[in-house]
Amino acid sequence: QAVVTQEPSKTVSPGGTVTLTCASNTGAVTSGHNPYWFQQKSGQAPRTLIYDTTKKFSTTPARFSGSLLGGKAALTLSGAQPEDEAEYYCLLSYNDARPWVFGGGTKLTVL
Amino acid sequence: QVQLVESGGGVVQPGRSLRLSCAASGFAFRSFVMHWVRQAPGKGLEWVAVISDDGSNKYYTDSVKGRFIISRDNSRNTLYLQMNRLRPEDTAMYYCVWGLGSWGQGTLVTVSS
Repeated sequence: QAVVTQEPSKTVSPGGTVTLTCASNTGAVTSGHNPYWFQQKSGQAPRTLIYDTTKKFSTTPARFSGSLLGGKAALTLSGAQPEDEAEYYCLLSYNDARPWVFGGGTKLTVL
Repeated sequence: QVQLVESGGGVVQPGRSLRLSCAASGFAFRSFVMHWVRQAPGKGLEWVAVISDDGSNKYYTDSVKGRFIISRDNSRNTLYLQMNRLRPEDTAMYYCVWGLGSWGQGTLVTVSS
């Protein structure tokens, strides 16, 4: 059974750059896992930022980008803003009977 | 614009059933895969189930297999989640998600005696 792992927490300074990662216990994350990234602010429903590793929705701020890095999916925030403080979740697709698995989330603090 | 409105949540005793609905508008509902995702209080997101555009393929996370049934009515632009034999650990906010791109605001299910 797949387990997806994210850093529990990270801190970034305003204007700084931070990379969040998403690993799979089944091996390297590839584009075949169709990585997604979601942002959830306190008390709100999640919002989709990135799909299919690198693709952005029209509403995704340009400072967010997705990639593969060292066998993991990665979300990079360049030029952090106070409003980026949130929980970030990745989601991976597996070609089995339980096709989608979330990571545990990374709490990002902008300080 | 895309709208997803969940309903049907509430307080229910363990072992009982509940059916959630998600009314969709603003997109071609019948052409897209739909998901249910849940979030227990203070916890992370958990993918629950997915249904193909025509309803012919359905997949579930292990903890709900055999108890929950995802379905859709494309003539009514509505997604459903039939939840049977509910357990306290099913307590969560349940979100309807269009193709993993757009999310509803959720409906809260509390399983408690």
